[in-house]
Amino acid sequence: QQPVQSPQAVILREGEDAVINCSSSKALYSVHWYRQKHGEAPVFLMILLKGGEQKGHEKISASFNEKKQQSSLYLTASQLSYSGTYFCGRDSGGYNKLIFGAGTRLAVHP
Amino acid sequence: DTEVTQTPKHLVMGMTNKKSLKCEQHMGHRAMYWYKQKAKKPPELMFVYSYEKLSINESVPSRFSPECPNSSLLNLHLHALQPEDSALYLCASSQESQLNQPQHFGDGTRLSIL
Repeated sequence: QQPVQSPQAVILREGEDAVINCSSSKALYSVHWYRQKHGEAPVFLMILLKGGEQKGHEKISASFNEKKQQSSLYLTASQLSYSGTYFCGRDSGGYNKLIFGAGTRLAVHP
Repeated sequence: DTEVTQTPKHLVMGMTNKKSLKCEQHMGHRAMYWYKQKAKKPPELMFVYSYEKLSINESVPSRFSPECPNSSLLNLHLHALQPEDSALYLCASSQESQLNQPQHFGDGTRLSIL
């Protein structure tokens, strides 16, 4: 089953913050985050493997709440380069299959 | 530029044609993937190869035939495709097929079926 992402779309001014959420009705064993710009390949951002884990990537960080079966991606002091579609992906519990959420479209304007 | 190279970037073919998509990586990765992505949708897994052997086939129609000639190359052979097969086809690779490792995607082949 596909994880659920919210919101579906976000519009920001440069310097503003955003949070993208990813939740699953199935157990989350790990959460992957990718960003895809229009016409380009999805680019890996980070993987969270353990409940309670938090990771940072420049001004982008994420948390993973295993019990709540959800993960959040935090974008702080957004830059124009952050624009794109963000996908979370959950693994299928040992089947080596990554299932992506529908994506969150983020647009950052000057 | 990505480290996973896909050719061609664009392909237009008729429903009776036979064509192949190619993917190459030189990162020493032992797992390679084919995904299909429709506009404004997430990538959907089609096939997974691990150590050059097919490990996952997501019930993909037989008109799509994958091949992994060696650890660096992945092909997708196309035959008698339907208009609904028009999509972006993405190749990806990872060190191993376990899901604790990132996948590196190519820029994709944009396929149009006439």
